[in-house]
Amino acid sequence: DVKVTQSSRYLVKRTGEKVFLECVQDMDHENMFWYRQDPGLGLRLIYFSYDVKMKEKGDIPEGYSVSREKKERFSLILESASTNQTSMYLCASRESYNEQFFGPGTRLTVL
Amino acid sequence: ELKVEQNPLFLSMQEGKNYTIYCNYSTTSDRLYWYRQDPGKSLESLFVLLSNGAVKQEGRLMASLDTKARLSTLHITAAVHDLSATYFCAVGDNAGNMLTFGGGTRLMVKP
Repeated sequence: DVKVTQSSRYLVKRTGEKVFLECVQDMDHENMFWYRQDPGLGLRLIYFSYDVKMKEKGDIPEGYSVSREKKERFSLILESASTNQTSMYLCASRESYNEQFFGPGTRLTVL
Repeated sequence: ELKVEQNPLFLSMQEGKNYTIYCNYSTTSDRLYWYRQDPGKSLESLFVLLSNGAVKQEGRLMASLDTKARLSTLHITAAVHDLSATYFCAVGDNAGNMLTFGGGTRLMVKP
């Protein structure tokens, strides 16, 4: 079974802090994704990566950056957290053209 | 820009009844995915539909895809309480990279 893990289930940070969310997959998938999920807005793609050191902006990249130094790990970085970044963050991975497998999610609260 | 609309957004139904969830999308695609999400949990892949006319069934759920009509349906037969969850459809772009999600259908099955 594909396993996608995320570093934290719950995280509380203060406005202005730098926040790292980490995602690791164990299936040697090429593609990895970061989404945020908000009530009434569904899932929105922040960034994705199709190879090590490669990244592409999704629909809502503002305020975020990503890092993919190793194939199995994809990090989402909030350079200066703001209250409007309070959300559920979901990481996913997949092989080309197949379904995405999601991690358990990180619920981030920015105070 | 690809848009994906699901309806209904909320569905309350009695056990034993049948119902259909609809997923319409705005541009050509032949990759359609259905996911289930339980409260507080991540997304679980249910079905992958990769061609016009594709039909897949698992237990009381059956999904189909009509690429000409840009429509997928998720049919629930003789609903049981365990099916209570939020169901998302997602449409793949033609490059095979990104998914655009519908807003989700929250299903509640009452005894």
